[in-house]
Order: sequence, then structure tokens, then C-alpha cells
Amino acid sequence: QVQLQESGPGLVKPSETLSLTCTVSGGSISSYYWSWIRQPPGKGLEWIGYIYYSGSTNYNPSLKSRVTISVDTSKNQFSLKLSSVTAADTAVYYCATTGIAAAGPIQHWGQGTLVTVSS
Amino acid sequence: SYVLTQPPSVSVAPGKTARITCGGNNIGSKSVHWYQQKPGQAPVLVIYYDSDRPSGIPERFSGSNSGNTATLTISRVEAGDEADYYCQVWDSSSDHPRVFGGGTKLTVL
Repeated sequence: QVQLQESGPGLVKPSETLSLTCTVSGGSISSYYWSWIRQPPGKGLEWIGYIYYSGSTNYNPSLKSRVTISVDTSKNQFSLKLSSVTAADTAVYYCATTGIAAAGPIQHWGQGTLVTVSS
Repeated sequence: SYVLTQPPSVSVAPGKTARITCGGNNIGSKSVHWYQQKPGQAPVLVIYYDSDRPSGIPERFSGSNSGNTATLTISRVEAGDEADYYCQVWDSSSDHPRVFGGGTKLTVL
């Protein structure tokens, strides 16, 4: 059973870069698609983007100019960077996987990590 | 980008049947996935590809999809089913392919 765990700072200052890492255990990061999804407090889910283990990516157009998702297969990790953050980026950030299909259902989720943007 | 519309809330008495709808333009031509999210927890997949159930999800959960509406049906509702439910599709024609509905709060009376 694949397990995912997010890690990173819980507080980021406005205009700075949010950086999170997702560590995958119970399976190899290779051959699968890996996603980031966020949820502002009290609101719904928003897809941020995904990365294939080979490095190809697809981002939400509304965030594309500020988002970078990368993968480190040697560490079985993938990461999210979101630049120039504002209070609107305050959310619980989830890492997740859709398995072998980019378009498939999200089969496994991390527990989520709350990131607050505040000075 | 593609828009999915869910009712903000649905209420149902224990033992009855809850139906949560997800509306979208010709959604019947797309595959719909449903997630259950309880407070403070990550979402859990309960229905995928319109009507398939992951292992461990009770048979009381079922799904259908036709025309402009997909429906998640929960039979013999239990108190433990109280949660937020989100539908999701993949719109391959869009540059924003993974779309979620706004979510529906299921209240068990």
C-alpha cells in the first residue's frame, strides 16, 4: 500500500516561495503520476498539477506562472514550489497519486499539511 | 474550464437513501470519480469511473452517470457517512483537466 507524507514549513511570508516535499513509501515513485492538490480552510479542493516520474508536468493554468513540481526518484520524493504567495494561498496542501494514469482517480492521498501565508 | 455543480448540502435520516448530484455539460461522456472527506481528514475515493467501488468501500455506495448529471447514491445511510462529498472529472479537452465539484455536505439527521 503506497503511503504519502507531506513535509515543509507551516508558515510562509507573503511574496516568498512555498516549498513542500512529499515522501512516498510502500512503493516506487517510478511509473506513476504524482499530484498536488490544495484546500483553503472551509473551501473545496483545487488541483495544482501533476508530474510523471520521468519529469513531465501539467499545471493548473491559474497557478502555472507560479508553480513548479519536480521529482527526485533517488529519494522517492516529489516537491512543490509556489512562488510569490499571498494570503489566498493559505490552504491544506495534499500530495497524491493517480497511479499509472494521469487521468485516473486519485487513489492515495497524503494526510495533508496546513500552510499559512502571513507576515 | 469545465464546471461541475453540486448542491451545497443534502440531509437524510438514518436508514434512508441519500442522492448527491454532480451537474456538468454532457458529463455522461466523461468519467466521474467521487471522494468522501470527513473533518480534519484527507479525501477518500469512494466511487471511480462512474460506478466502480474501491475495495473496502461498502456496497451501500453506488454511482451513475448520464446526460448532464452524475449521481452518488448512499443506501441505508449511517451516522458515519456524514461528510463532504466531491465529484471530479478529467476534461481532456481542457488545459485545466482535473476539475472538482464544489462539494456537498451530507448531514445525517
